[in-house]
Amino acid sequence: DIQMTQSPSFLSASVGDRVTINCKASQNINKYLDWYQQKLGEAPKLLIYNTNSLHTGIPSRFSGSGSGTDFTLTISSLQPEDVATYFCLQHNSGYTFGAGTKLELK
Amino acid sequence: EVQLQESGPGLVKPSQSLSLTCSVTGYSITSNYWGWIRKFPGNKMEWMGYISYSGTTSYNPSLKSRISITRDTSKNQFFLQLNSVTTEDTATYYCARYGDYGYSFDYWGQGVMVTVSS
Repeated sequence: DIQMTQSPSFLSASVGDRVTINCKASQNINKYLDWYQQKLGEAPKLLIYNTNSLHTGIPSRFSGSGSGTDFTLTISSLQPEDVATYFCLQHNSGYTFGAGTKLELK
Repeated sequence: EVQLQESGPGLVKPSQSLSLTCSVTGYSITSNYWGWIRKFPGNKMEWMGYISYSGTTSYNPSLKSRISITRDTSKNQFFLQLNSVTTEDTATYYCARYGDYGYSFDYWGQGVMVTVSS
């Protein structure tokens, strides 16, 4: 089974900061990595699919990059409404979720 | 707008069956694939299975002997049944729609918390 290691688990940043969250796969997952955002009490929301494709309606400050085993979600300029938990999902072979990153404002 | 809403009992006794409903509005379940995912206390998440637009199913091998996903197209609902539950099945259960670009989940329900306890 493919394991996903997500880091950091917790992140504190200021409005306007550039924020990066990482996911590392235990083996090659090609491009099949998504990023999701979940705010407290809300449904998860798809941000990025297949490494770097922005889902409909998602602000352009969100971007994804990577390939093979190492992937990154970047928020170019953190906004207050971005406070949430972010998690990755690989769907190259089965499905494996990252453990999540809780993002808070400093 | 596509919306999904999970419903079902919040408490199930060990050895009994867990049954949940996902009600979909704004889109027909006779298109796309529809899945169940759960999040355990401690935040680990697990894909459970899906039902396709034609009614075919696929399940997580770790659950295969206990899980069934069915649907009622007349009500635009799909269902999860998990048999012989234990306390390890305590989780928040989500239903979700597979998007048009493969195996990503583009719409999710808010989730329903299910506790397995006597």
